[in-house]
Amino acid sequence: AQSVTQLDSHVSVSEGTPVLLRCNYSSSYSPSLFWYVQHPNKGLQLLLKYTSAATLVKGINGFEAEFKKSETSFHLTKPSAHMSDAAEYFCVVSDRNNNDMRFGAGTRLTVKP
Amino acid sequence: DAGVIQSPRHEVTEMGQEVTLRCKPISGHNSLFWYRQTMMRGLELLIYFNNNVPIDDSGMPEDRFSAKMPNASFSTLKIQPSEPRDSAVYFCASSPAWKTQYFGPGTRLLVL
Repeated sequence: AQSVTQLDSHVSVSEGTPVLLRCNYSSSYSPSLFWYVQHPNKGLQLLLKYTSAATLVKGINGFEAEFKKSETSFHLTKPSAHMSDAAEYFCVVSDRNNNDMRFGAGTRLTVKP
Repeated sequence: DAGVIQSPRHEVTEMGQEVTLRCKPISGHNSLFWYRQTMMRGLELLIYFNNNVPIDDSGMPEDRFSAKMPNASFSTLKIQPSEPRDSAVYFCASSPAWKTQYFGPGTRLLVL
C-alpha cells in the first residue's frame, strides 16, 4: 500500500521569494513520485517526476524536487516565486507500473505582489 | 499532438438523468484512466484500462457508474441515474505502458 501526505493545505509567499511545498510519502517498494500543478479551471499538468534516477529532479517553470529516501520526502521548491505560479499543487506516489497513483490532498499556493 | 481530449467541458443536468462523459486518449497510449475530483475527497481513481480492457474498477463508487473503452481512441464514463452528489470534475488521463500519465482538461459536472 502507498500513500502521500502534503503537509500544508495552503502556502502563501511574496513574489520573488522562495517556494517550498512539502510532501511525504509511504510506499512498500521503490516508488515513482510526481508533482502536478492545476491552475484554476484547468486540467492537471506534470511538473516533474522521479523514477529512481537522479534524486534531484528538475521540472518545468524553474521547479525542482529532491527525493530523500531516509526522510520519505519529495518536497517541491523554486528559488523565486512568480505570480503565474499561483495554483494548486499535487504530490503523487505511484507503483512501478505508474498505474496505482495516489494523490495528496493538494497545496494551494498563493503569490502576493 | 492535441493531448487528451475530453467532452463536454461542462455539463449541467437534473437528478435522475443519464450523463455520458467522453475521452479521447493521446494516440499510441495504451492505458487510460478515469478520475473524479471533489472538494471533500480530492482526486480519486475510478477505473483504468490497459489495451482497452478494464483492469481495476474498484474505485467506481457504485453500480450507477459504468465505463467502456470500445477501441484504443475512445472511452466513455456513464452515470445513470445521476445524483447531486455526483457533482465533481471528472478527469481522463492516458499513458504509454508504465509511463507517466497525461491528463485531459476535465469535465465539470453539476447535477441539480
